[in-house]
Amino acid sequence: GAVVSQHPSWVICKSGTSVKIECRSLDFQATTMFWYRQFPKQSLMLMATSNEGSKATYEQGVEKDKFLINHASLTLSTLTVTSAHPEDSSFYICSAESRDTFKNIQYFGAGTRLSVL
Amino acid sequence: GQSLEQPSEVTAVEGAIVQINCTYQTSGFYGLSWYQQHDGGAPTFLSYNALDGLEETGRFSSFLSRSDSYGYLLLQELQMKDSASYFCAVRSETNAGKSTFGDGTTLTVKP
Repeated sequence: GAVVSQHPSWVICKSGTSVKIECRSLDFQATTMFWYRQFPKQSLMLMATSNEGSKATYEQGVEKDKFLINHASLTLSTLTVTSAHPEDSSFYICSAESRDTFKNIQYFGAGTRLSVL
Repeated sequence: GQSLEQPSEVTAVEGAIVQINCTYQTSGFYGLSWYQQHDGGAPTFLSYNALDGLEETGRFSSFLSRSDSYGYLLLQELQMKDSASYFCAVRSETNAGKSTFGDGTTLTVKP
């Protein structure tokens, strides 16, 4: 199956700093990428939909100035958590949809565990 | 809006068969997907149903009944490595074609 690479897998940062997470589709072009947040033992909460060449679409309640998303190419989307605070600590997962699959399969990255001190 | 319901926990023994149900409420239904997620890992795609009926992929099968807004994931010949969380996800017009995930079912396989 298709491969989505997400980096870093784990990051610890001080409160007030910004953290950038990269999501790359390695062997297919992804017109759409999704960013999720997941708390322990809970479901995937969609934060935003990232479309190549256009502004991201944020879900209700997600601060777009806090979580900056850039989808500069068909293989790369980035999520920047700006001025991170301890409450932003979470597991962030990206996924990409292949334009070639009629099943609209989402291929997920391995996730990034963010800990804000 | 839309909602999905699936059991929070299921326990079974090795070699057994287990069925994880998912009921949903939505409009403009496109399809129902199933994903597996091991602890600390990323979700991986298992199956997708857009039409009524059974889809079989090895030990895993998925069923959909659009008239009943219901689907299930069937896992046969359970193995210890099948212990994981299983999420159903629905795509529909309601959510602009994006997937909404259920809360997940934690499957524990015991020897």
